[in-house]
Amino acid sequence: DIQMTQSPSSLSASVGDRVIITCRSSQSISSSLNWYQQKPGKAPRLLIYAASSLKSGVPSRFSGSGSGTDFTLTISSLQPEDLATYYCQQSYSTPQTFGQGTKVEIK
Amino acid sequence: VQLVQSGAEVKKPGESLRISCKGSGYTFGNYWISWVRQMPGKGLEWMARIHPSDSNINYSPSFQGRVTVSADKSISIAYLQWSSLKASDTAMYYCVTVIAPPMNDYWGQGTLVTVSS
Repeated sequence: DIQMTQSPSSLSASVGDRVIITCRSSQSISSSLNWYQQKPGKAPRLLIYAASSLKSGVPSRFSGSGSGTDFTLTISSLQPEDLATYYCQQSYSTPQTFGQGTKVEIK
Repeated sequence: VQLVQSGAEVKKPGESLRISCKGSGYTFGNYWISWVRQMPGKGLEWMARIHPSDSNINYSPSFQGRVTVSADKSISIAYLQWSSLKASDTAMYYCVTVIAPPMNDYWGQGTLVTVSS
């Protein structure tokens, strides 16, 4: 299995801050990396696919980058509604493993 | 496009269970359906996926032998089943499909399975 490791596990930031979450895979996955957002009590939703492609309808303050084994999700200006847990997932091979999640809190 | 899952279940250890995920608004047989587990207060775990057109299935080694996935293309339903539940199967289970282009993910509302004696 490909292992996905996210950091940090949690963070607290102020509204307007730039937030960066990193994800590392245990082997190269090219650009087969998705980012999901899960708000409390809700199903996850896709934000970014293929490492850097923004899903239609997702605010442009979200962006993704990286390839190979190292990836980042950036929120350029944190908003109150961004309170959530964020997960990376590799879709390079099955099982399509998720990272352990990064909980984002608002200061 | 919608995925609608069956309702919450409360079961005893050792019992069997099958939960369902019904797709609508798209050609059900054309896209993989995956199952994802989320234990209470924990992260997402990819369990397995099935392609309804030919029932091609991939399991995570962590779940192989513990669960069975299936699908009935004629009625647009995917299933996740257990033959003998354990307390550690207590979790929320989601079905999800990804349809492209354009890239869109569709999640069921989740089925909460509680296993307790």
